[in-house]
Amino acid sequence: AQSVTQLGSHVSVSEGALVLLRCNYSSSVPPYLFWYVQYPNQGLQLLLKYTSAATLVKGINGFEAEFKKSETSFHLTKPSAHMSDAAEYFCAVSDSGGYQKVTFGIGTKLQVIP
Amino acid sequence: SAVISQKPSRDICQRGTSLTIQCQVDSQVTMMFWYRQQPGQSLTLIATANQGSEATYESGFVIDKFPISRPNLTFSTLTVSNMSPEDSSIYLCSVESRAGYDTEAFFGQGTRLTVV
Repeated sequence: AQSVTQLGSHVSVSEGALVLLRCNYSSSVPPYLFWYVQYPNQGLQLLLKYTSAATLVKGINGFEAEFKKSETSFHLTKPSAHMSDAAEYFCAVSDSGGYQKVTFGIGTKLQVIP
Repeated sequence: SAVISQKPSRDICQRGTSLTIQCQVDSQVTMMFWYRQQPGQSLTLIATANQGSEATYESGFVIDKFPISRPNLTFSTLTVSNMSPEDSSIYLCSVESRAGYDTEAFFGQGTRLTVV
């Protein structure tokens, strides 16, 4: 069985500060990992995904995430927060690479303070 | 890529009634997925809908409660039947779109349902 734990349902950062959203996963096979962002009244949008290639994955809008097998983590970071980054972020895991059996985390709401 | 239009975006319904949610995709896709996001919880897959066959439901979800139609490769509906306040959630449609050797999931904006 696979699962995802997102630490912190709400995170607040100041504009210009580092963004760090934590995600730990559990999977019985080498996982495929995803980060999605959901802006208010919009659908989920893929930020980035890890599919067993480079462990440091770069996504859209300046976000990146590093796959650490030893820590079973896939934390999302951005060096400098922008007001437009305020949204809800979901970490997700799949054991197949496809999307038929994707397990999502509970989500982290990011607030950016001016 | 795929652009998904989901209707309605929100609704307030009386308990005991039913609501049908529509999902329209701008391209033909083989598989469509329906998710539920209950307040304070993660997205949960309800069922997978393939064109021309019955939907495949996940554990805890049944066809009588969540009937799904998939009449063609660009459209699907999810009905929430005999609603109760516990059905108050966001319902999302998703498709898997292939681009070369890669695939990506695309989501509609969701339907926010409140049952009173």
